[in-house]
Amino acid sequence: EAGVTQFPSHSVIEKGQTVTLRCDPISGHDNLYWYRRVMGKEIKFLLHFVKESKQDESGMPNNRFLAERTGGTYSTLKVQPAELEDSGVYFCASSPRTPGTDTQYFGPGTRLTVL
Amino acid sequence: AQKVTQAQTEISVVEKEDVTLDCVYETRDTTYYLFWYKQPPSGELVFLIRRNSFDEQNEISGRYSWNFQKSTSSFNFTITASQVVDSAVYFCALTTMEYGNKLVFGAGTILRVKS
Repeated sequence: EAGVTQFPSHSVIEKGQTVTLRCDPISGHDNLYWYRRVMGKEIKFLLHFVKESKQDESGMPNNRFLAERTGGTYSTLKVQPAELEDSGVYFCASSPRTPGTDTQYFGPGTRLTVL
Repeated sequence: AQKVTQAQTEISVVEKEDVTLDCVYETRDTTYYLFWYKQPPSGELVFLIRRNSFDEQNEISGRYSWNFQKSTSSFNFTITASQVVDSAVYFCALTTMEYGNKLVFGAGTILRVKS
């Protein structure tokens, strides 16, 4: 069974540009989460999808971040326009059931560098 | 509020030594779940263990063992006879249903195992 995949693995962009990160969860997992780790800080929750619906987006830092989950499958996280403080590693995770506290399985992350 | 503290920023040991990674958590919820994840140099977060608040039994898996003590709000992780491949960042995390299943992570402990 394929794990959580994320694309790209690395992205380097200029301040003010737009970047879109993609996450493909484990097949059949209804729950999809985005987290991020900025340099030297803890991994922080951004948002949670249940199928195609946003269950909780309390961790989204501001309206420059837009997340979607088309048809309850893969998800995208767009940052527009990117700022320097957006640099970090963005992780996606998925878990199988709704609701619950099932184990979240993580992808390899996307390292975003904003110059 | 939910909080996880990993006071050890970095630990260095020589191969075959035993090492314990500390994790202290805070929550007012009576039902909660604790996790350990490993982040090897390749970057992905690898799930190691999940423990619920009603199960205080210690767990052993090969060279890994976990000591859960509600009285001290701790969930420590011990690696016996460490190996170079154990070198990684280890994260302790907490979630509760009342908190919406979001994972709250500690800052992580960098473990370096030298040959």
